[in-house]
Amino acid sequence: DAGVTQSPTHLIKTRGQQVTLRCSPISGHKSVSWYQQVLGQGPQFIFQYYEKEERGRGNFPDRFSARQFPNYSSELNVNALLLGDSALYLCASSRGTEGASPLHFGNGTRLTVT
Amino acid sequence: DAKTTQPNSMESNEEEPVHLPCNHSTISGTDYIHWYRQLPSQGPEYVIHGLTSNVNNRMASLAIAEDRKSSTLILHRATLRDAAVYYCIPRLISSGSARQLTFGSGTQLTVLP
Repeated sequence: DAGVTQSPTHLIKTRGQQVTLRCSPISGHKSVSWYQQVLGQGPQFIFQYYEKEERGRGNFPDRFSARQFPNYSSELNVNALLLGDSALYLCASSRGTEGASPLHFGNGTRLTVT
Repeated sequence: DAKTTQPNSMESNEEEPVHLPCNHSTISGTDYIHWYRQLPSQGPEYVIHGLTSNVNNRMASLAIAEDRKSSTLILHRATLRDAAVYYCIPRLISSGSARQLTFGSGTQLTVLP
């Protein structure tokens, strides 16, 4: 079975631009979460979507938005990019949102803002 | 969310057992304990989770203290491929609302040949 796939793998943008990152969950998984990982730190939660509805949001500005499509794939959008947005963006899927549902992560999109 | 304490780093020799400790003294009775690991240049990988009883799977064993204030991830025979950052994460039981993983700094495991 295919794992969580993310595209693109690498991306370079300049300050002020907008970026869209894409994620395809494992087949049968209805929940998708997004995390940001800055170099040297653990991943930080951005969003969770379940059945196309936003179920949670981390402490990120409104420049960050996301959506989930009927096929459960997801997009993360970041507007007005700042240098500090440079990070590895990770997508994770799970069957549900319960505490016992393990998350399965993709290998991320490396975003560099110059 | 429950706070966790893990050693910053640990070393192990190849083919020897490794015991990775985690203190989660503020954990609630409904928090599952999850362990993930992250190899260089990869996303985190689920390892194991448990609630009260010790758990085993093909990757590792999880020993949970009786008072649930600490747990230990056990790799029975470390290999060079086990070199990674290991995260201990309590996760709340919930349904119908978001319960995200809160990653700390984790333990950097180095496996020596």
